Amino acid sequence: GAGVSQSPSNKVTEKGKDVELRCDPISGHTALYWYRQSLGQGLEFLIYFQGNSAPDKSGLPSDRFSAERTGGSVSTLTIQRTQQEDSAVYLCASSPSSYNSPLHFGNGTRLTVT
Amino acid sequence: AQSVTQPDIHITVSEGASLELRCNYSYGATPYLFWYVQSPGQGLQLLLKYFSGDTLVQGIKGFEAEFKRSQSSFNLRKPSVHWSDAAEYFCAVGKGTGTASKLTFGTGTRLQVTL
Repeated sequence: GAGVSQSPSNKVTEKGKDVELRCDPISGHTALYWYRQSLGQGLEFLIYFQGNSAPDKSGLPSDRFSAERTGGSVSTLTIQRTQQEDSAVYLCASSPSSYNSPLHFGNGTRLTVT
Repeated sequence: AQSVTQPDIHITVSEGASLELRCNYSYGATPYLFWYVQSPGQGLQLLLKYFSGDTLVQGIKGFEAEFKRSQSSFNLRKPSVHWSDAAEYFCAVGKGTGTASKLTFGTGTRLQVTL
């Protein structure tokens, strides 16, 4: 079946512009995660959605970052007034509701801020 | 707070040689432990996971990992490495009870395989 889909795969933007990154999770998966992968930094947790519960936003690095999940499915990560340090690969993952379910990752969006 | 340490940033092994990638975790209760692999330009793929029971777990592609509570370790092993195993490997720890929550990942180990 279809996996986690992220778009665009690559995004180049100018400093100060806003960007939106999209994630389509696997159908039926109630949990959705965003991670950021910077060179040499591993995977940094950003935000986590689980069903209708309030999202865990504890990993968002600043108020320029926000995310929403509409209808319990598609999610959009928005970065306002982008900075060069925002350049990274943004990975989305989804999983079924149970806590011991592994994550299924998309291929990521590579964001470059010039 | 939970954390994961992968002390080796980069490892090079010859094809056919054995491999061990180290992972140490810090977590106050029962952890769930995972190993993921990331090939260039790809997302992360689950290799194996440990929740409970037998401390030696088998995964895909001939990988295995052993959970050692006394050492807070979950090292990944493979008896004979193939050139296609060259990739980046991530260890992760999750909360072992309750509702689903975020996984904490290590910084990764890049594996290079020489022919």
